[in-house]
Amino acid sequence: GQNIDQPTEMTATEGAIVQINCTYQTSGFNGLFWYQQHAGEAPTFLSYNVLDGLEEKGRFSSFLSRSKGYSYLLLKELQMKDSASYLCAVRIITGGGNKLTFGTGTQLKVEL
Amino acid sequence: NAGVTQTPKFRVLKTGQSMTLLCAQDMNHEYMYWYRQDPGMGLRLIHYSVGEGTTAKGEVPDGYNVSRLKKQNFLLGLESAAPSQTSVYFCASSYSTFRMPQREQYFGPGTRLTVT
Repeated sequence: GQNIDQPTEMTATEGAIVQINCTYQTSGFNGLFWYQQHAGEAPTFLSYNVLDGLEEKGRFSSFLSRSKGYSYLLLKELQMKDSASYLCAVRIITGGGNKLTFGTGTQLKVEL
Repeated sequence: NAGVTQTPKFRVLKTGQSMTLLCAQDMNHEYMYWYRQDPGMGLRLIHYSVGEGTTAKGEVPDGYNVSRLKKQNFLLGLESAAPSQTSVYFCASSYSTFRMPQREQYFGPGTRLTVT
């Protein structure tokens, strides 16, 4: 089976940096995605890693270590609008095609 | 470009009633998916399709059926609704070619379904 773990909640201060961790145990790993989901809205794509290392995209960066089954999402210069749920998702190769398995999400609260 | 659209946005059903949720995408994507999202459970895959005329079961397919008669549409059916199917349903689509495995999924706005 697939197992994806991420913290349930985190709180951080506006202007600060926060790191959201994700660990996974899967077979057929073929990439890791991070999505952002504001309350009552659809998830939107943030970043994608398939090889080890860091991917940077403006204020957001994502890191992957395949040997450790570990990823993190780094958010810099936090803004109030960053308060949202952050979903880690692992892409898995199956006989029927590629599928995503999602973690339960980390609810981030940004405070003044 | 509307992206991924879902109808209806809200629905209340009585136990035993049936309904169909419609998902449409105008991005010419091959892959389409139906998820449900429940508090504390994350997004769970119900069914998916890798192309027109094909469907496959996901993680929680029981009680649901799907059809992909046209590339741009993916229908999710509930034949006999149960209170356990109260959830938010999201449709998603993604682009894929042989040389470029599917990348990010684009999600619709969701359908909030309550079964009483």
